[in-house]
Amino acid sequence: AQSVTQPDIHITVSEGASLELRCNYSYGATPYLFWYVQSPGQGLQLLLKYFSGDTLVQGIKGFEAEFKRSQSSFNLRKPSVHWSDAAEYFCAVGQGSGNTGKLIFGQGTTLQVKP
Amino acid sequence: DAGITQSPRHKVTETGTPVTLRCHQTENHRYMYWYRQDPGHGLRLIHYSYGVKDTDKGEVSDGYSVSRSKTEDFLLTLESATSSQTSVYFCAISERAVPRDTQYFGPGTRLTVL
Repeated sequence: AQSVTQPDIHITVSEGASLELRCNYSYGATPYLFWYVQSPGQGLQLLLKYFSGDTLVQGIKGFEAEFKRSQSSFNLRKPSVHWSDAAEYFCAVGQGSGNTGKLIFGQGTTLQVKP
Repeated sequence: DAGITQSPRHKVTETGTPVTLRCHQTENHRYMYWYRQDPGHGLRLIHYSYGVKDTDKGEVSDGYSVSRSKTEDFLLTLESATSSQTSVYFCAISERAVPRDTQYFGPGTRLTVL
């Protein structure tokens, strides 16, 4: 069965430092991969997605992610973190076709930003 | 932002009572989804709909039912609420089926079952 693992439940970085959030997936075919962000008390917002093509994907708010098939990973990166990036981040893999497509979410990583 | 509203936004209820959560969209999207969010589990799909009166189960559908009589509304019902259904519930919509299309999420409903 398809699954998504985010190994880090909680990460703390200093403002201005670089960030990498890890995501590993289990999926037999070429995956559809997503990163969402959830600010406190809010719904989820799409940061970026990978369907095919260039393995380095650019998203909103200065985020990027790289798809590495050999490592079954889709890690999220940002070169310089801002205090407003403090939130919970979810990686998801899409599966299915026709009317039965679904997203499988990882457990989430909470990012804390130190001043 | 996609036009998705959820009501109520907060609800406290007692074990054994019925509860209905409403998701309303103004985007005329065909697909609608209900998820629950619990610490350590991320989001898990409860039910989804691929058209008016067309619904199907997700991975955690036990104890939940849904209805969709209009394109814009997707109702989630807990027939007899239990404490294990205390959670934050999110509605999502997409124009076409995932995974090819993007899901847009509502603001969530926090449900507490005492």
